[in-house]
Amino acid sequence: ETGVTQSPTHLIKTRGQQVTLRCSSQSGHNTVSWYQQALGQGPQFIFQYYREEENGRGNFPPRFSGLQFPNYSSELNVNALELDDSALYLCASSTGLAGAETQYFGPGTRLLVL
Amino acid sequence: AQRVTQPEKLLSVFKGAPVELKCNYSYSGSPELFWYVQYSRQRLQLLLRHISRESIKGFTADLNKGETSFHLKKPFAQEEDSAMYYCALKETSGSRLTFGEGTQLTVNP
Repeated sequence: ETGVTQSPTHLIKTRGQQVTLRCSSQSGHNTVSWYQQALGQGPQFIFQYYREEENGRGNFPPRFSGLQFPNYSSELNVNALELDDSALYLCASSTGLAGAETQYFGPGTRLLVL
Repeated sequence: AQRVTQPEKLLSVFKGAPVELKCNYSYSGSPELFWYVQYSRQRLQLLLRHISRESIKGFTADLNKGETSFHLKKPFAQEEDSAMYYCALKETSGSRLTFGEGTQLTVNP
């Protein structure tokens, strides 16, 4: 059984640029959730995808968008990057009805916006 | 809106001593509570969930709805318990996890 993987591991961008982060869910999982973890804080929910549809969104602006593919892998896109977007981005996969089961986390992508 | 509070950012105990990591929550419905742990250079992983009522690695946590708390306890701490611990809440009807800010536990030899 393959765990949750994320790419890239680290990324440096400049303010105003766009970024795409990728997540491969654990085998057999159909739900992916994305979280932002700023330094010294707990993870904050961005949104969740269940069977390719967005299923819940946290308090993040529309420039944070996502996608889930038929193989249940997922992308997080952030447009018009701001300095405060610098954080660790975590994805978590789960199975069952819209994340009702345990969420398994990936290692994260660390994004630095200069 | 739901909220999770972990009042201690840092907690240091000696090996063999009891440890309690505090977690309080605010939520109007019946939440599901979790403890996640992150060991050094490892990914965030589930430690335990209240509905399972199980003990994992000697840790237990009881949901106290009257005090809106879900404190994590272990009677005898081990050095390998040193890690970052996050308390998290999931709404009964939703799917998102709301995390606390975490407590860094250090168990000294």
